[in-house]
Amino acid sequence: DAGITQSPRHKVTETGTPVTLRCHQTENHRYMYWYRQDPGHGLRLIHYSYGVKDTDKGEVSDGYSVSRSKTEDFLLTLESATSSQTSVYFCAISESRGIKLDYGYTFGSGTRLTVV
Amino acid sequence: AQKITQTQPGMFVQEKEAVTLDCTYDTSDQSYGLFWYKQPSSGEMIFLIYQGSYDEQNATEGRYSLNFQKARKSANLVISASQLGDSAMYFCAMRGPPRGYNKLIFGAGTRLAVHP
Repeated sequence: DAGITQSPRHKVTETGTPVTLRCHQTENHRYMYWYRQDPGHGLRLIHYSYGVKDTDKGEVSDGYSVSRSKTEDFLLTLESATSSQTSVYFCAISESRGIKLDYGYTFGSGTRLTVV
Repeated sequence: AQKITQTQPGMFVQEKEAVTLDCTYDTSDQSYGLFWYKQPSSGEMIFLIYQGSYDEQNATEGRYSLNFQKARKSANLVISASQLGDSAMYFCAMRGPPRGYNKLIFGAGTRLAVHP
């Protein structure tokens, strides 16, 4: 009953190979986000989505692309993985409730990606 | 642009004592929300407490309270009666108004160690 699942949980890949991470939600939330977590930087936003086929770049989007063809799925693709993309990747979802801002976010369990 | 600053990379506290984790923020929006998350060694992101920019009272959730000083743009987390299980990474985060697609911006985090 997590509401949000990420797959895979762990992945080791070689430099130059494409990698796709999947985020799946069962909450029917409008907004979905991909973050990466690195020591000393907290979580930084890579891409986000505000609806099916509606996506935009975050602060660290270079080298990443995303797609959202269904409300429940948000895919993050590293077209050609580099060692600098070794990180922990988190997906998050949220929903808008008008002008109230006290709604929260739900985070996935994270994907640990190692690029060798 | 929005920014969150956590100036304490690491803190330690004796069990049963109170500890304050600092967070300052920068935004030109009048409507925003401030969050604190806990990340234990297992890696999941755990929501602790929320403060809206228009909330007049400081938020409290059990042993957690948020010392919100709007004029100083600070949102410090106070943990009372620390427990060994409070040892974790703590992140302060800010979300702007809905027109910003609810993006959540994080600070770099503070690692808290609770000593027996």
